[in-house]
Amino acid sequence: QVHLQQSGPRLVKPSQTLALTCAISGDSVSSNSVATNSVAWNWIRQSPSRGLEWLGRTYYRSKWYNEYAISVKSRISINPDTSKNQFSLQLNSVTPEDTAIYYCARGQYNTFGVWGQGTMVTVSS
Amino acid sequence: DIVLTQSPDSLAVSLGERATINCKSSQSLLLTSNNKNTLAWYQVKPGQPPKLLIYWASTRESGVPDRFSGSGSGTDFTLTISSLQAEDVAVYYCQQYYSTLSMCSFGQGTKLEIK
Repeated sequence: QVHLQQSGPRLVKPSQTLALTCAISGDSVSSNSVATNSVAWNWIRQSPSRGLEWLGRTYYRSKWYNEYAISVKSRISINPDTSKNQFSLQLNSVTPEDTAIYYCARGQYNTFGVWGQGTMVTVSS
Repeated sequence: DIVLTQSPDSLAVSLGERATINCKSSQSLLLTSNNKNTLAWYQVKPGQPPKLLIYWASTRESGVPDRFSGSGSGTDFTLTISSLQAEDVAVYYCQQYYSTLSMCSFGQGTKLEIK
C-alpha cells in the first residue's frame, strides 16, 4: 500500500520560497515498470478562492521529466530525490495568493488515487 | 485550455434521496485511442485529502460504495449518489485528464449538504 508523508514549514514570508517534501513508502519515485508506466508524482493545492489546482509533476521514463501548470511555471520546481525516495516542491516569490493547503499525490493515468495528508501553508509577514 | 464547469455550485438533498452533480467540459474528453472519457470525480471533506471516487467517467475506484456512479460522454458528465448518506456531505470536484497542454484541471466544486 502506497503512503505519502508531507513535511515542511507552514508559514512563509511574502517574496520568499515555499518548500515542501513528500516521502514515499510502498512505491518508488523512479517507478518505470510496464505495470506502472503511467505513474507520476504530483503537487496539488486547494484554496477557498481557487478550489483544487494542479501545480505540476515529476516522473521517470528512462529519464526524468517535469511538467508544470502554466499559472506557476515561471516560479515552480519539482524535484525527485532517489536516495530518500521522495520528491519536493519549491515555489518561489510567493504572495498571499499562494496561501493554500498543499498536497502531494500519486498520479496514475493522471488521476490521483493516493494523497499526502496535506500541509496548510500561510504566506504572511 | 479545457475548462470544466460544474452545476450547481451547491446542493441540499434529504437523506436517502438522490443527489446529482453535473460537469460540462469546454471540449470533448473522449479519447479515441481507447474510446474512454478522461473525466474523474473526487470527494473532499474538511480536514481530509481528496478521495478519488470515479475515473474514466464511470469506473468506480476500489472501495467506493456502489451508491456513487458516474455517467456521460464527450462534454457532459454526471455524478449521482443514489441514496444520500450523512457521510456524503462534502465538496465534489470533477477533473479532466485529456489535455497534455493544460495537463489536469478541475471544476470549481459543488458543495453537497443535507436538507
